[in-house]
Amino acid sequence: DGGITQSPKYLFRKEGQNVTLSCEQNLNHDAMYWYRQDPGQGLRLIYYSQIVNDFQKGDIAEGYSVSREKKESFPLTVTSAQKNPTAFYLCASRRQGCSNEKLFFGSGTQLSVL
Amino acid sequence: GQQLNQSPQSMFIQEGEDVSMNCTSSSIFNTWLWYKQDPGEGPVLLIALYKAGELTSNGRLTAQFGITRKDSFLNISASIPSDVGIYFCAGLRSGGSNYKLTFGKGTLLTVNP
Repeated sequence: DGGITQSPKYLFRKEGQNVTLSCEQNLNHDAMYWYRQDPGQGLRLIYYSQIVNDFQKGDIAEGYSVSREKKESFPLTVTSAQKNPTAFYLCASRRQGCSNEKLFFGSGTQLSVL
Repeated sequence: GQQLNQSPQSMFIQEGEDVSMNCTSSSIFNTWLWYKQDPGEGPVLLIALYKAGELTSNGRLTAQFGITRKDSFLNISASIPSDVGIYFCAGLRSGGSNYKLTFGKGTLLTVNP
C-alpha cells in the first residue's frame, strides 16, 4: 500500500539525549514536512524539504535537525537543545507542481521525556 | 504571522444531529483543506477547496470556500458515533514553492449515541 510511515509510534527520551524520528513515504512525493502538535493546539511547522539534499526551517526549528538524502526519507532529530520535546510529531508529504495541493500525513510519533 | 480562528473549540451532540464548524482569518487564502484526526493518529484529509464560493461534498460532509476567501465552513449531517474526533481547517496562501499551511486549533467533536 502507498503511504507515509512514521516510526516508532512511541519514543522516550532521556535528558541530554538526541533521538531520531523516522519518516518514509512511497508516494513519490517531492516535498516532505515535519509538524509538532501539542494538546489543544494547531500544527506547527518544524522543517520542510522540497527536494533531495535541501531543506528549510519552519516556524519552530530550534532544537531540531533534519536531513533529506533520499526522496523517500525525511528523518527528524530532536536534539538535547530542545528543552520541551514532549509532543506528537507528524510527518507529511505532497506532490509538487500539482494544482491540487493536498498534504497527506503519517500516523505520528508520540515523544515523551523520561 | 497568519492565524486561523476555528470555532467552536468543542461540540457535544446527539447522534443524528447536524454539525457546523468554521474557520476565519484576517488573510486571504487560495486553498482550504479540512482534516479529521482520531486520537493518536495523523490527520486524514476530508475535503479540499480551491475556488472562492466553491461548495464540495464528501458523503455526509459538505464544505464551502467563503466568497471573501477569508473563511471556510464544514458541515456534517446526520452525525454518527464514528464522527468523533478533532476536525482541523488549514489554509494555504500561495502556491508554487511557497507552500506553507496555516492550521486552526481544531474542533473536538463528541457524539453521544
